[in-house]
Amino acid sequence: RKEVEQDPGPFNVPEGATVAFNCTYSNSASQSFFWYRQDCRKEPKLLMSVYSSGNEDGRFTAQLNRASQYISLLIRDSKLSDSATYLCGTSYGKLTFGQGTILTVHP
Amino acid sequence: DAMVIQNPRYQVTQFGKPVTLSCSQTLNHNVMYWYQQKSSQAPKLLFHYYDKDFNNEADTPDNFQSRRPNTSFCFLDIRSPGLGDAAMYLCATSRDGGSSTDTQYFGPGTRLTVL
Repeated sequence: RKEVEQDPGPFNVPEGATVAFNCTYSNSASQSFFWYRQDCRKEPKLLMSVYSSGNEDGRFTAQLNRASQYISLLIRDSKLSDSATYLCGTSYGKLTFGQGTILTVHP
Repeated sequence: DAMVIQNPRYQVTQFGKPVTLSCSQTLNHNVMYWYQQKSSQAPKLLFHYYDKDFNNEADTPDNFQSRRPNTSFCFLDIRSPGLGDAAMYLCATSRDGGSSTDTQYFGPGTRLTVL
């Protein structure tokens, strides 16, 4: 079993849609959780850290469920510019990524 | 201004010909990481330096070596590249690597092609 698992998608949604991604992790000792965005042939860039209480940044909301060992990312009012691969990451000493979920937002 | 810089951005080498990739940072972070990312896969950690302490991942091939001569610079040496080593190589840094809020910042990557 992979340490961090994501549905690779792709998710194809129209502009304005709400889309949610989930990510599960196997290491119960993981301490930190992140969502990164990676554009085609570019480096991952931190989108947001994920806290136990959940956190929101504009159209993006991240949630952490430690009991079930999953994290989620909700994107509201999708924009064309949101098209990218979304990587979840968990950290316990080292950062481990899922393989990424591909999102395509179309007009 | 770029905070994590990688050179070159694109590298072409021949099968078996040693190659060195470079990473530098202006953040004065203690920790520097090297990842390998193949198409449609997650970035895979090869090794990292906590200051001068080198930490190798158990499944990193011996073909891959690293040097960190000072805080700002870190190098990835591939001694005998094979076709399977063609990938994007990402350098990242973090302030201390241990706290629960530590964040990694990535460079733009070097895309390696092996002919």
